[in-house]
Amino acid sequence: QKEVEQDPGPLSVPEGAIVSLNCTYSNSAFQYFMWYRQYSRKGPELLMYTYSSGNKEDGRFTAQVDKSSKYISLFIRDSQPSDSATYLCATGNTPLVFGKGTRLSVIA
Amino acid sequence: SQTIHQWPATLVQPVGSPLSLECTVEGTSNPNLYWYRQAAGRGLQLLFYSVGIGQISSEVPQNLSASRPQDRQFILSSKKLLLSDSGFYLCAWVADLAKNIQYFGAGTRLSVL
Repeated sequence: QKEVEQDPGPLSVPEGAIVSLNCTYSNSAFQYFMWYRQYSRKGPELLMYTYSSGNKEDGRFTAQVDKSSKYISLFIRDSQPSDSATYLCATGNTPLVFGKGTRLSVIA
Repeated sequence: SQTIHQWPATLVQPVGSPLSLECTVEGTSNPNLYWYRQAAGRGLQLLFYSVGIGQISSEVPQNLSASRPQDRQFILSSKKLLLSDSGFYLCAWVADLAKNIQYFGAGTRLSVL
């Protein structure tokens, strides 16, 4: 079983839609959970991180962790074409473990 | 502020030629440093990581090597490049080991022809 699994998509949504991106992880000891956004031909940039279970909101983005089910989610409200990118979840110790990324396209 | 520099941005090399990619971090001391490779349409593949000067952990047996000659410098090398070494190479660092949050450089796009 891979430590972090993420549906690679691709995912295509109309502008204004609510987007849900998800990952599962296997090690219940993991405490910090991150979401990265990677635009084409660029390095990943940290979007959000959360500690343990619960929600964290930043503008149109909400990160959610459910440790009981080992499930990580990122919600994007009122999606914009500028949100079109690959989104990677990550968790773990040293080294961090990344999902393979979900490619999102928001169509105007 | 803390920043990471990675160069060159783009590199085209013939098969069999050597490689040296450099990554430096500013504004922090004793960071954990990482080298990743990302093939087109693929996920991040961890190549090497370092928790201190001269300490290198290799994740994947391959045609590459890494060195950390200074606290904030991480170098990725190859003596003879293969076609399969083509990809997007990313350096990353961690300052806060408690949170283990990685920050990435801009990347080097390597094409081996």
